[in-house]
Amino acid sequence: RKEVEQDPGPFNVPEGATVAFNCTYSNSASQSFFWYRQDCRKEPKLLMSVYSSGNEDGRFTAQLNRASQYISLLIRDSKLSDSATYLCVVSLSGNTPLVFGKGTRLSVIA
Amino acid sequence: GAGVSQSPSNKVTEKGKDVELRCDPISGHTALYWYRQSLGQGLEFLIYFQGNSAPDKSGLPSDRFSAERTGGSVSTLTIQRTQQEDSAVYLCASSLGPIVGQGPEKLFFGSGTQLSVL
Repeated sequence: RKEVEQDPGPFNVPEGATVAFNCTYSNSASQSFFWYRQDCRKEPKLLMSVYSSGNEDGRFTAQLNRASQYISLLIRDSKLSDSATYLCVVSLSGNTPLVFGKGTRLSVIA
Repeated sequence: GAGVSQSPSNKVTEKGKDVELRCDPISGHTALYWYRQSLGQGLEFLIYFQGNSAPDKSGLPSDRFSAERTGGSVSTLTIQRTQQEDSAVYLCASSLGPIVGQGPEKLFFGSGTQLSVL
């Protein structure tokens, strides 16, 4: 089983739609969770951290379910500029590297 | 500079040649990571430095790969006797380093080196 698994997509949604991505992780001891965004031919950039209580940043909401070992990202009122690949990222605490999922590709269509 | 700088941005080499990739992290960042990304694939972890030491080399795919970091700053990734399967984008990232009990800090990535082995 891969450490971090994501549906590769693509998710093709119209502007204004709400879209949700899920990600599962295999190591139950994982402590830190993030969503990164990667535009085509660009480097990944941190979108948001994921906290146990769930967190929201504008149109973006992240949730963590430790019991089921999955993380979700909800995007409301999708914009054309949201088109990108969304990477689910997991780490054990301490001196351990971040493990990246392969990403979920989103295309927002006018 | 303000961000992570990698050079060269593109490298084309012949199979069997050695290549050296360079990463200049953000000033003051103690942690430095190397990842690689093949076309359409996710990021594959290669090696991680905390200061000049590498606590985790588990991702290096073979003994042809090595990396060092000097002065707690610049890092070089060396690939000896390159093979066609080494072709990928090699990404370097830096961070302030893990916070005890809280895990890793946000990673800042460079633009990567596109390596093509012919």
